[in-house]
Amino acid sequence: GQQLNQSPQSMFIQEGEDVSMNCTSSSIFNTWLWYKQDPGEGPVLLIALYKAGELTSNGRLTAQFGITRKDSFLNISASIPSDVGIYFCAGRGSARQLTFGSGTQLTVLP
Amino acid sequence: GAGVSQSPRYKVAKRGQDVALRCDPISGHVSLFWYQQALGQGPEFLTYFQNEAQLDKSGLPSDRFFAERPEGSVSTLKIQRTQQEDSAVYLCASARDSNQPQHFGDGTRLSIL
Repeated sequence: GQQLNQSPQSMFIQEGEDVSMNCTSSSIFNTWLWYKQDPGEGPVLLIALYKAGELTSNGRLTAQFGITRKDSFLNISASIPSDVGIYFCAGRGSARQLTFGSGTQLTVLP
Repeated sequence: GAGVSQSPRYKVAKRGQDVALRCDPISGHVSLFWYQQALGQGPEFLTYFQNEAQLDKSGLPSDRFFAERPEGSVSTLKIQRTQQEDSAVYLCASARDSNQPQHFGDGTRLSIL
């Protein structure tokens, strides 16, 4: 099935560094969401974006809904060990289901 | 409950057996979704309920897959005559309504031998 183009596929960063990941789509979405998934668990919602151009923060996380409605990015500032995990973007169009990216595996080195 | 609850957490079945996976959504959430997640991939949509009505089943991979939500709360995903390619994590998500963010359970990891 269709998946969004998410990059990078994996990242290795030092603790304290900032991180950026993004997602692009060939289709327009009305909503973009970012989730984090730890091993053996379900995705946990981090940020939801509802309007083109919207910039939203949640603690050290900042995400933006692209103006074209075909892309979104997520920034994590001052990374800490518990940020380790897989980050997924997801878009929702006129249908109610989410279309997910293939994930970004984040490793934070001490 | 506080979150979406799925059972069993792990299921091992022999090829050809039928399996049933259960989802208890967050109380009061009218929208319920099932997704399939292959190893190393993002979740992929299977089917969607609004209360007891199954409004979209376009993601079900074959007629061996069947889902129900008879009273608009608990949902069951059934897979008949399982095949090895059915091995995956099956995730359930619920939302207050179809425009609200979806909250996921921890999934059922299904292994077909």
